[in-house]
Amino acid sequence: GNSVTQMEGPVTLSEEAFLTINCTYTATGYPSLFWYVQYPGEGLQLLLKATKADDKGSNKGFEATYRKETTSFHLEKGSVQVSDSAVYFCALSDRGRDDKIIFGKGTRLHILP
Amino acid sequence: EPEVTQTPSHQVTQMGQEVILRCVPISNHLYFYWYRQILGQKVEFLVSFYNNEISEKSEIFDDQFSVERPDGSNFTLKIRSTKLEDSAMYFCASRPPGQGNEQYFGPGTRLTVT
Repeated sequence: GNSVTQMEGPVTLSEEAFLTINCTYTATGYPSLFWYVQYPGEGLQLLLKATKADDKGSNKGFEATYRKETTSFHLEKGSVQVSDSAVYFCALSDRGRDDKIIFGKGTRLHILP
Repeated sequence: EPEVTQTPSHQVTQMGQEVILRCVPISNHLYFYWYRQILGQKVEFLVSFYNNEISEKSEIFDDQFSVERPDGSNFTLKIRSTKLEDSAMYFCASRPPGQGNEQYFGPGTRLTVT
């Protein structure tokens, strides 16, 4: 079945460091790919998405490129801030009739000032 | 900006009791979902709902679970006889029609079964 694998956390970085959180997926067909973020004590927010190969999703300085050849969707940010501390979930939506979302296990990111 | 709302934010119940978790999806959305997240674990799909019926459900969604859209605005998840392992954060989500549209998640209800 479809699945998402992302790097284990926690990831601890200093402010202004470069961030990469790796994500790979297994899917039949051509899923849409997402990164969701969960700030402490809050729900899930869509951070960015990409719906087809080579698309780049971007938001708030974060980027991820849909790589079909490597089945990857790695999240990157050039200079992280303390406010980026959160749990990040890579996810895919199998494009069936209802597009249920399948999540990775999440990566906790902790940014030190 | 419209958003998905959920009530209550935190529900504590005793094992064996029935609970109803409530969600108000965004008004023009047609697809509705429930997910759960056991503490420290990944978010798992429970059920999807469209056109007043269940479209798909996971193996987690057994006979103890049911969903309903009792009126034009609410979408509920009922657990008939709660177990300790039902303790989790439950997220409601909705999305508009059309393929590829992202789902909008509510803030979640934390269910604690004692």
